[in-house]
Amino acid sequence: QLHLQESGPGLVKPSQTLSLTCTVSGGSIDGGDDFWGWIRQPPGKGLTWIGSVNYGGRAYYTPSLRSRVAISVDKSKNEFSLRLTSVTAADTAVYFCARHPGRHYSGNNYYGADFDFWGQGTLVTVSS
Amino acid sequence: DIQMTQSPSSLSASIGDRVTITCQASQGISNYLNWYQQKPGKAPKLLIYDSSNLQRGVPSRFSAGGFGTEFSFTITSLQPEDFATYYCQHYDSLMVTFGGGTKVEMK
Repeated sequence: QLHLQESGPGLVKPSQTLSLTCTVSGGSIDGGDDFWGWIRQPPGKGLTWIGSVNYGGRAYYTPSLRSRVAISVDKSKNEFSLRLTSVTAADTAVYFCARHPGRHYSGNNYYGADFDFWGQGTLVTVSS
Repeated sequence: DIQMTQSPSSLSASIGDRVTITCQASQGISNYLNWYQQKPGKAPKLLIYDSSNLQRGVPSRFSAGGFGTEFSFTITSLQPEDFATYYCQHYDSLMVTFGGGTKVEMK
């Protein structure tokens, strides 16, 4: 059974960089066409996809965050990471990592479809 | 960008009720639509993928369907553990978009 666990600081100052890591156990991150994604949820609000990366490092992001976000994978540690720069209070949220199976084929590439395994989520507060 | 409009945003129901939630896409999305259940303080749980396919281990009282722009999700007989928030989610090669969510509360 795949298990994902988020880790990182729970408090980040405005204008600084938010960095989170998702450690995958019970399976390899080097899983064929799978992507690995980050999703966030501000307190009391809905879900927003941030972006996803595959084991080869190919990533795609939500347009509204593309200029500030980077998602990378570390195959040797079986983990993937999120970096979000220049954070503001609007970035305060619970951040989830999840497996994003690459079942959607388009333009000679696979892309993620559903999110079938999730971490428990970690609250990141942006405040001075 | 494709917008996903989920309705209602909340509903009240009783045990044993049939509950239906709809999700409308701003343009045709084939069957690229998934459904999740989220309970307070927990991660979402995948219930339905590709519009109508029940995820392994999910009870058969959950069902869904649709194609193009109109999708629906149904709980045939609401159980106590089904009180939660439900989200639809669209995917394509550019983007992943969640609906706004539907909170199912006890009447």
